[in-house]
Amino acid sequence: DGGITQSPKYLFRKEGQNVTLSCEQNLNHDAMYWYRQDPGQGLRLIYYSQIVNDFQKGDIAEGYSVSREKKESFPLTVTSAQKNPTAFYLCASSARPTGEETQYFGPGTRLLVL
Amino acid sequence: GENVEQHPSTLSVQEGDSAVIKCTYSDSASNYFPWYKQELGKRPQLIIDIRSNVGEKKDQRIAVTLNKTAKHFSLHITETQPEDSAVYFCAAMYSGGGADGLTFGKGTHLIIQP
Repeated sequence: DGGITQSPKYLFRKEGQNVTLSCEQNLNHDAMYWYRQDPGQGLRLIYYSQIVNDFQKGDIAEGYSVSREKKESFPLTVTSAQKNPTAFYLCASSARPTGEETQYFGPGTRLLVL
Repeated sequence: GENVEQHPSTLSVQEGDSAVIKCTYSDSASNYFPWYKQELGKRPQLIIDIRSNVGEKKDQRIAVTLNKTAKHFSLHITETQPEDSAVYFCAAMYSGGGADGLTFGKGTHLIIQP
């Protein structure tokens, strides 16, 4: 999992602002994922992608958008439509669809609203 | 969709004793069940996983059991040590060749009392 990086570590969002969280991996994985974690809660799936230029909505996609222009990168944008964005955001990758399903996580980005 | 319930939410055990965390899932198609350990402010780390073609898997002090009929699986930690203190998450997914995301339980805070 050391091959997955996220930046920044902390991010502050003002009212009405869109912010973008970065996720990069050098594991040569095809599949990438975004999860949201709230205090005392499990992780919930926002979006996932199994190939470049393709992605699917997860359970809580409203107010978020993603792109997958490169295999190594899967940025997440938190839009102003997301009314409660304060959370810990975790990116993950796996060798699916051709390899094992084990998901490895990045170190996370903590998003706070000013 | 899949729903994963995890119990207990907090578990306190004496150092050296065993700890058991239980999860149930709702989708009988799920066939991959990982367990993650998360220390405060850190990324989740995979500690063990099991696929539906086996009933039990062990790795040193950690074991996972799966009952497909009852749709539940459990994590067993023996000879607990202070470094086992963390939040543990179970998860489930259908691994059918695609890259679907995981559905997580809400976590168990394991406290090892010295």
